[in-house]
Amino acid sequence: NAGVTQTPKFRVLKTGQSMTLLCAQDMNHEYMYWYRQDPGMGLRLIHYSVGEGTTAKGEVPDGYNVSRLKKQNFLLGLESAAPSQTSVYFCASTYTVTGTGGRSNQPQHFGDGTRLSIL
Amino acid sequence: AQKVTQAQTEISVVEKEDVTLDCVYETRDTTYYLFWYKQPPSGELVFLIRRNSFDEQNEISGRYSWNFQKSTSSFNFTITASQVVDSAVYFCALSHGSSNTGKLIFGQGTTLQVKP
Repeated sequence: NAGVTQTPKFRVLKTGQSMTLLCAQDMNHEYMYWYRQDPGMGLRLIHYSVGEGTTAKGEVPDGYNVSRLKKQNFLLGLESAAPSQTSVYFCASTYTVTGTGGRSNQPQHFGDGTRLSIL
Repeated sequence: AQKVTQAQTEISVVEKEDVTLDCVYETRDTTYYLFWYKQPPSGELVFLIRRNSFDEQNEISGRYSWNFQKSTSSFNFTITASQVVDSAVYFCALSHGSSNTGKLIFGQGTTLQVKP
């Protein structure tokens, strides 16, 4: 059971290059997320998806695009990489449980991260 | 405003000391969830605990305990008899029940160093 798998684990890009980060989960989770982690700033949400075919902007979406064509995959794209996008990127997934008290947010499961450097 | 504040950037203790990591949150929602995650030097994020806004009971799990106080909007984490393996970055996070998106708002993180 792999959980959440991110590809690649490391990458160095030059300014202006493009690339796609892949996130795959095998837990049949509805919700998926992309975060970036920068020193002293915790994790900040870039984009998220509440289901196949849907995406939405998070706190820091500029310069990124996403797609969720299949339920198990969530892709993060950088069209024209900039040094400010040097960061560690984490993908996560989760689900909600519906009970008598309404929907209950479950913990997010995280991938191991992608360390991206842009020169 | 929805916000999570971990005012302690770095804490250094000697093994076997007790240590408390502070977390203060801001939200207008009446239904919300609070989480703690651990990020060891290897870099992955490990879920530690989830608490919903209706449950103010404190929780203890081995050497770990959590104190949730709605009156002060705090969800503090205490490690008793710390060990070197506890050295990590710890994140507190908030999720809103009303949004049904499960999005997490993270604090800045507290780096804990436990020295032998």
